[in-house]
Amino acid sequence: DTGVSQNPRHKITKRGQNVTFRCDPISEHNRLYWYRQTLGQGPEFLTYFQNEAQLEKSRLLSDRFSAERPKGSFSTLEIQRTEQGDSAMYLCASSSGQVTDTQYFGPGTRLTVL
Amino acid sequence: AQTVTQSQPEMSVQEAETVTLSCTYDTSESDYYLFWYKQPPSRQMILVIRQEAYKQQNATENRFSVNFQKAAKSFSLKISDSQLGDAAMYFCAYRSAIEGGTFGTGTKLQVIP
Repeated sequence: DTGVSQNPRHKITKRGQNVTFRCDPISEHNRLYWYRQTLGQGPEFLTYFQNEAQLEKSRLLSDRFSAERPKGSFSTLEIQRTEQGDSAMYLCASSSGQVTDTQYFGPGTRLTVL
Repeated sequence: AQTVTQSQPEMSVQEAETVTLSCTYDTSESDYYLFWYKQPPSRQMILVIRQEAYKQQNATENRFSVNFQKAAKSFSLKISDSQLGDAAMYFCAYRSAIEGGTFGTGTKLQVIP
C-alpha cells in the first residue's frame, strides 16, 4: 500500500481553462475527502464521499467545481473556467469509514492559474 | 458554523525542551472529535494525535499529549523532548458526524538546535 496518491502534483493553467485532478485513496478506504489549502492557511473542506455517494459539499464548492467518485475508488475534482482565485493546493484524504477514523492525506496538487 | 482558532502563528523551542501549541474552537455540538496534524515543509500532512470529546482523559502519543478543556473549548498540544524532526506546521482540526472538517490556520514550529 503506497498511501494516498494525487495527480498531477503541479498544474499551471491559464484563466478560463478547465482542469481535472485525480486522487487515488488507500485501498479499501470508504471515505474520500477533498480540501483546498491556500498559502498561510489551513485546509478548507470542499466535499467528501462515502463510497460513490457524495455526502457533503461545502459552500466553497461553487458551480464551477465538480467532484466524482464513480466506482467508489478513485476520485476526480474538476474546476471549470478557472480563475486566479482558484490557485491553491488541493488536498485529498481518505479514511476507512468512520468519522473518527484517521484521515490519510495525499501530497496534494498545486494549481497555479495565470 | 464551527470555527477553530490557533492564535500562535509561529513558535520556537530549544531541542529537548517542551512546547505547548494553543487551539480553541467553537461549536454547538456535543459529539465531536479534535485532531492535531503535522505538515512538514513540502510533505504530506500526518495525524499527530486525536481526542474524542466524550472522553475526559487527555490523549497521549509518546512525546505528544493534549490538554483538552471541553468547557473552555480549548485543545492544546504539548510536545515534550522536542526534536529537530518536530519542526513543521501544526494544524488543529475539528470534525463531527455532520461536519467534513474545520482546520485552524496553523502554527509554524521551529526547533532550535
